[in-house]
Amino acid sequence: SQTIHQWPATLVQPVGSPLSLECTVEGTSNPNLYWYRQAAGRGLQLLFYSVGIGQISSEVPQNLSASRPQDRQFILSSKKLLLSDSGFYLCAWSLKVGGRETQYFGPGTRLLVL
Amino acid sequence: AQSVTQPDIHITVSEGASLELRCNYSYGATPYLFWYVQSPGQGLQLLLKYFSGDTLVQGIKGFEAEFKRSQSSFNLRKPSVHWSDAAEYFCAVGARVGGKLIFGQGTELSVKP
Repeated sequence: SQTIHQWPATLVQPVGSPLSLECTVEGTSNPNLYWYRQAAGRGLQLLFYSVGIGQISSEVPQNLSASRPQDRQFILSSKKLLLSDSGFYLCAWSLKVGGRETQYFGPGTRLLVL
Repeated sequence: AQSVTQPDIHITVSEGASLELRCNYSYGATPYLFWYVQSPGQGLQLLLKYFSGDTLVQGIKGFEAEFKRSQSSFNLRKPSVHWSDAAEYFCAVGARVGGKLIFGQGTELSVKP
């Protein structure tokens, strides 16, 4: 069966510091991968998605970036964090079956920027 | 523009009572539809999904949802709520091409003993 991991689970970082959040998927090949951010009391905002190694699409202009160095690894980064980057970051994977795609989410990383 | 509306931000029901969470969408064609549940501090768990066919969809934990094309709705129902159902519920629509999801703002469910 497929599993998705995110780490760290919780992170407290000062403003201006760098960021690296990691997401890995097990038990599947060539999944689509997604990064979402969930701000307090709000819905989910799609940040990036990837359909393959090195292929990243950005949904929202911001100081975050994403990379996919391996088939089942998706990394969210920032060179300098802002206060507004605080939130709950969720990674998701999906697999198309017969043209139909379902997304499955990881446990999330809670980021607090002070 | 594509959008999902969950009109109820917060709902409180008594344990054992029935539940209906509303979801309306705006989409150019028939979308794929999903309901997810999120417990505090956790990721999202898929409850059920609709792709095509029977408009009444059964999911996990005793939940069901009905797709009504004429009303652009995909409401979630459960006949008898348990205290463990207290969580936040998200409705989402997915594109038939590309797979990206658009989420509603969520409905927080509280369950009274």
